[in-house]
Amino acid sequence: DAKTTQPPSMDCAEGRAANLPCNHSTISGNEYVYWYRQIHSQGPQYIIHGLKNNETNEMASLIITEDRKSSTLILPHATLRDTAVYYCLASFTGKLIFGQGTTLQVKP
Amino acid sequence: KAGVTQTPRYLIKTRGQQVTLSCSPISGHRSVSWYQQTPGQGLQFLFEYFSETQRNKGNFPGRFSGRQFSNSRSEMNVSTLELGDSALYLCASSLRTAAGNTEAFFGQGTRLTVV
Repeated sequence: DAKTTQPPSMDCAEGRAANLPCNHSTISGNEYVYWYRQIHSQGPQYIIHGLKNNETNEMASLIITEDRKSSTLILPHATLRDTAVYYCLASFTGKLIFGQGTTLQVKP
Repeated sequence: KAGVTQTPRYLIKTRGQQVTLSCSPISGHRSVSWYQQTPGQGLQFLFEYFSETQRNKGNFPGRFSGRQFSNSRSEMNVSTLELGDSALYLCASSLRTAAGNTEAFFGQGTRLTVV
């Protein structure tokens, strides 16, 4: 599974869009990009995943570059409850390799 | 639809003992994976089971083992417990298709403390 790189922390103002970047330059053709988040001491929560095309669901949007070497998770209107550690992963199998993630702090 | 259920939620064991943790996946999910989370090492993959067979394995010693039953429920066992095994153990279930795994859904975890 490809290694991913994320900034360790980011801040975002409540109500504004949060844009979380992820680099996965060694991703292989069949690996999906997944995003999860973890709020303190809870199990990780699935957010969104994609292969090549941009994806949107009720939680977020995922923008994947054409060369698939990086992606951005967008939370369109961040709330205080979105404060969490966000993990970007690349995987094809059931083996998810988690990095250190990005700690997103949403501030009032 | 019920989520992933892990039991027990909390457990305290003594060094040298063994422990068994249980995971009931979402109905219809046949893939179950286990993860260990510690403050120092973060979230680490232990193993994945699909249709009662171990499909993937992480870099953990043989003291960590698992199994999956015909109803997709899974158990994880740790023998000869060490202080360093204190962690949050997470189980995740997912569908497995020819196109690869779909998204994984995690349980709330079992908090194991070894004293």
